[in-house]
Amino acid sequence: DIQIIQSPSSLSASVGDRVTITCRASQDINNNLAWIQQKPGKAPKSLIWAASNRQSGVPSKFSGSGSGTDFTLTISALQSDDFATYYCQQYDTYPFTFGPGTKVDFK
Amino acid sequence: QVQLVESGGGVVQPERSLRLSCAASGFTFRNYGMHWVRQAPGKGLEWVAIILHDGINKYYADSVKGRFTISRDDSRNTLFLQMNSLKTEDTAVYYCAKAGAVAAPDYWGQGILVSVSS
Repeated sequence: DIQIIQSPSSLSASVGDRVTITCRASQDINNNLAWIQQKPGKAPKSLIWAASNRQSGVPSKFSGSGSGTDFTLTISALQSDDFATYYCQQYDTYPFTFGPGTKVDFK
Repeated sequence: QVQLVESGGGVVQPERSLRLSCAASGFTFRNYGMHWVRQAPGKGLEWVAIILHDGINKYYADSVKGRFTISRDDSRNTLFLQMNSLKTEDTAVYYCAKAGAVAAPDYWGQGILVSVSS
């Protein structure tokens, strides 16, 4: 199975900060990576597909990049609504796998 | 708008069975693959299974292979997850999710809790 390493596991930030989260896959997954946001007690929400494409309605402050094994999610100008846990997921090879998540909280 | 509503969860004893349903609306169900994803209490997301739009191709996580079966009824716009030989470690909130133009999930249900306990 493809393993996903996600870093950092948690980070503390302030409103207005630029935040970067990375995922590294154990083998080449082309650009078949998604980013997903989850707030406490809520269902997940998909943000990005194919490494860099925003889902419908997702604001442009969320951007994704990368290909192959290394990927990045960047949140520019963090807002209070962005404090959540972020997961990456590879959908290149079955079984699909998620990273362990990055919790973004208030500094 | 896309809506996915899970049902069928509850408390069940180990080794028993349970069937989850996911009622879909707001899109042409038969044209899209569908996922099940779960989340154990206090843990991260775990992908469980996918059924492609053809209803034939199905893939599973190693942890559920041979015990869980994903299926769909396009006439009822409904996705199912038949869970047999349940274990305590299957305790989780189960989400159904629609696959987008590629296999990545794009819309999610609100989740349903399955608790396996004696």
